[in-house]
Amino acid sequence: NAGVMQNPRHLVRRRGQEARLRCSPMKGHSHVYWYRQLPEEGLKFMVYLQKENIIDESGMPKERFSAEFPKEGPSILRIQQVVRGDSAAYFCASSPTGEGQPQHFGDGTRLSIL
Amino acid sequence: GENVEQHPSTLSVQEGDSAVIKCTYSDSASNYFPWYKQELGKRPQLIIDIRSNVGEKKDQRIAVTLNKTAKHFSLHITETQPEDSAVYFCAPSYNTDKLIFGTGTRLQVFP
Repeated sequence: NAGVMQNPRHLVRRRGQEARLRCSPMKGHSHVYWYRQLPEEGLKFMVYLQKENIIDESGMPKERFSAEFPKEGPSILRIQQVVRGDSAAYFCASSPTGEGQPQHFGDGTRLSIL
Repeated sequence: GENVEQHPSTLSVQEGDSAVIKCTYSDSASNYFPWYKQELGKRPQLIIDIRSNVGEKKDQRIAVTLNKTAKHFSLHITETQPEDSAVYFCAPSYNTDKLIFGTGTRLQVFP
């Protein structure tokens, strides 16, 4: 049973470009969470999605960031017009039903902005 | 918002000794209390969790204790080994929705 799959593992972008991060949850999991981790810090919640629905986006910056989890395919975290401060590790986690079920993390995408 | 603090921020122990990390949270609605281990450059891994209707849970060398009245829970590692060296995060939540991660504790186990 494959775990949470994230790609790419490493992504380099220049300032002003767009970054797209992908997350495929574990088989049978319909809940996806995105977290951001700055160097030497803990993970910060960004957004919680179910298929075709955003449940909680209270941790998402108001501008440039968006997330989706379509009926088919992976969840996508999109960052437009990236800036140096967006450099971080972005982790995705999934759970079967959300309520009462633990979250399991992918290996993350390390985003570097030149 | 929720405030989650861990103590100590760093902990060094000799192999075979015990290690205890404490997590204090502010949201009284929290009812799910996991601990994650993160090795350098790796993903967080769930090592143990407890729910609010239980006071203590043990899994081999690892245990978690919960004091819901005082709003803190602790990770206990006995007979520590060098491979236990990592950063440990607590992440209390309500119904396992968004996890609010603590500030992290860097554990070093010296052989």
